[in-house]
Amino acid sequence: QVQLQESGPGLVKPSQTLSLTCTVSGGSISSGDYYWSWIRQPPGKGLEWIGYIYNSGSTYYNPSLKSRLTISVDTSKNQFSLKLTSATAADTAVYYCAREGMATIRLINYYYGVDVWGQGTTVTVSS
Amino acid sequence: SYELTQPPSVSVSPGQTASITCSGDKLGDKYACWYQQKPGQSPVLVIYQDIKRPSGIPERFSGSNSGNTATLTISGTQAMDEADYYCQAWDSSSWGVFGGGTKLTVL
Repeated sequence: QVQLQESGPGLVKPSQTLSLTCTVSGGSISSGDYYWSWIRQPPGKGLEWIGYIYNSGSTYYNPSLKSRLTISVDTSKNQFSLKLTSATAADTAVYYCAREGMATIRLINYYYGVDVWGQGTTVTVSS
Repeated sequence: SYELTQPPSVSVSPGQTASITCSGDKLGDKYACWYQQKPGQSPVLVIYQDIKRPSGIPERFSGSNSGNTATLTISGTQAMDEADYYCQAWDSSSWGVFGGGTKLTVL
């Protein structure tokens, strides 16, 4: 079964770039109708969807983060990554990488939810 | 932007039925999903496409979605069901919208 593992610095200075990588094991990032996503959760708060990348390389970002965000994929390493520029304390959170399923069958979209989550990695933005 | 509203907390006695609501404009026209998150753990998908349960999710978890409200129902609630629950709405124009979460207390 597919497993996801986040990696990256746990501490980022304000105004610097927050960078994380998610390694996919147990399956190919290039196969199937899957969207590879990032979701975060500030301390004591709810879930915030950040964005996804599809195996074709197409992306969709949360409009509130779009100007600072880049999600990319490296199919040769079975990894996808997140870069968030100009980090502030408001970006302090547990960051999850995740898999979402969506398929279009006979012109109808079917969404299967976020069915696989990484264990999460805590990122603190502080000087 | 699209918004979903959940009650901050719901309490239920063991063995009783818990209902957690999620409200949004014309939510019934979108897919609703539900996630369970226990302290220190990653969320787990418990309902997708309004009513479907992923493999391994107990039958006591069920969902509905109509009008402006989606509901997660837990029948015969057990102590292990105590957790935070998040709803999510999806259609091709509103990807990635989560509700604020509901803390379910079993007492």
